[in-house]
Amino acid sequence: GENVEQHPSTLSVQEGDSAVIKCTYSDSASNYFPWYKQELGKRPQLIIDIRSNVGEKKDQRIAVTLNKTAKHFSLHITETQPEDSAVYFCAASETGAGSYQLTFGKGTKLSVIP
Amino acid sequence: DTAVSQTPKYLVTQMGNDKSIKCEQNLGHDTMYWYKQDSKKFLKIMFSYNNKELIINETVPNRFSPKSPDKAHLNLHINSLELGDSAVYFCASSQVVGRFNYGYTFGSGTRLTVV
Repeated sequence: GENVEQHPSTLSVQEGDSAVIKCTYSDSASNYFPWYKQELGKRPQLIIDIRSNVGEKKDQRIAVTLNKTAKHFSLHITETQPEDSAVYFCAASETGAGSYQLTFGKGTKLSVIP
Repeated sequence: DTAVSQTPKYLVTQMGNDKSIKCEQNLGHDTMYWYKQDSKKFLKIMFSYNNKELIINETVPNRFSPKSPDKAHLNLHINSLELGDSAVYFCASSQVVGRFNYGYTFGSGTRLTVV
């Protein structure tokens, strides 16, 4: 099955700086890579996703890049704000052979210092 | 309108009891899931259902059993609860189209505490 590694486990940045979180996956059949943000006591919420036929996607201050050859993808947050503080999860999914699940990384706790 | 709703939000129970958590989605998705989030925040897949068929069952004790009366509902039954079952349980749903997963959405979670 799929295995997703996520680094770093914790990340502290000054407000206004950029934050980068990196993930690697093991299954070359994976074709969907979402990122979720989970605030304390709340559900994980999708913030951005990318599919295997795209190399980069941007949505305002958030961008995701995918390198299929190296099997890694990254989340980039620019101009960080205190409300960006949360746990971020990467995930990978491959559909086929009856498998549809998202496999998650272990999360990165991002702290944005005002 | 809540897209994926779970009940109850909190559940405190004694060891050895049997309990159920309900999940309903109104997104018209064809696949539903249960995840367990432990104290270290790791999200681990427990079950997934596609068109009322169990398609994934990870290394979960058989005390846990999913029940899906229709494609909008996936309930989780837990027998003989143990202390280690304490966690937050999230239901989720998605729509699988071709080779891609769309709209993976989580419920608000059920915090289970076994005492």
